[in-house]
Amino acid sequence: GIQVEQSPPDLILQEGANSTLRCNFSDSVNNLQWFHQNPWGQLINLFYIPSGTKQNGRLSATTVATERYSLLYISSSQTTDSGVYFCAVTSGSRLTFGEGTQLTVNP
Amino acid sequence: GAGVSQSPSNKVTEKGKDVELRCDPISGHTALYWYRQSLGQGLEFLIYFQGNSAPDKSGLPSDRFSAERTGGSVSTLTIQRTQQEDSAVYLCASSPKETQYFGPGTRLLVL
Repeated sequence: GIQVEQSPPDLILQEGANSTLRCNFSDSVNNLQWFHQNPWGQLINLFYIPSGTKQNGRLSATTVATERYSLLYISSSQTTDSGVYFCAVTSGSRLTFGEGTQLTVNP
Repeated sequence: GAGVSQSPSNKVTEKGKDVELRCDPISGHTALYWYRQSLGQGLEFLIYFQGNSAPDKSGLPSDRFSAERTGGSVSTLTIQRTQQEDSAVYLCASSPKETQYFGPGTRLLVL
């Protein structure tokens, strides 16, 4: 099946710093989503982004489908950004998730 | 509007007992998914329902796991003869087309 790799596995930032999270996938995909799992376990949709670039406030994402990667940018990070960021790709009917990036933003 | 809801939020059971987990999707969403997340892990696909089509059960880890979706809405995931390795968070998601929206999950602990 399709493989999804995320990097880095862990990231610690000071409030206000910027960061880039990466997602590589092994095969062509129908779509790609980025999620944030907050410390209470709730998964929140950030982006549906099979290709191109999208921005939402301090977050933006870029997917280069032909090169099989996606990037999530977090600017001016806040403590509320802490949690796990998952990349998930669809091949067929299912979402396959990466192992996530654990982000900690310190005040 | 209301999001995906799941019940119970937490369930503690004894090894060997059966459990039922419920998912209420967002109204009008035709697709419904179940996933499992073990401690510190990513999400593992279990089963997918789309409208009246036969479900994709290819992610179910054993024949102790089954799921149904009644009337194209509410879904129940049943685990028979629970084992300690079944302990995890079980997440349900629904989708109108591509984007999946997740419920808060049911935390299952098998003693």
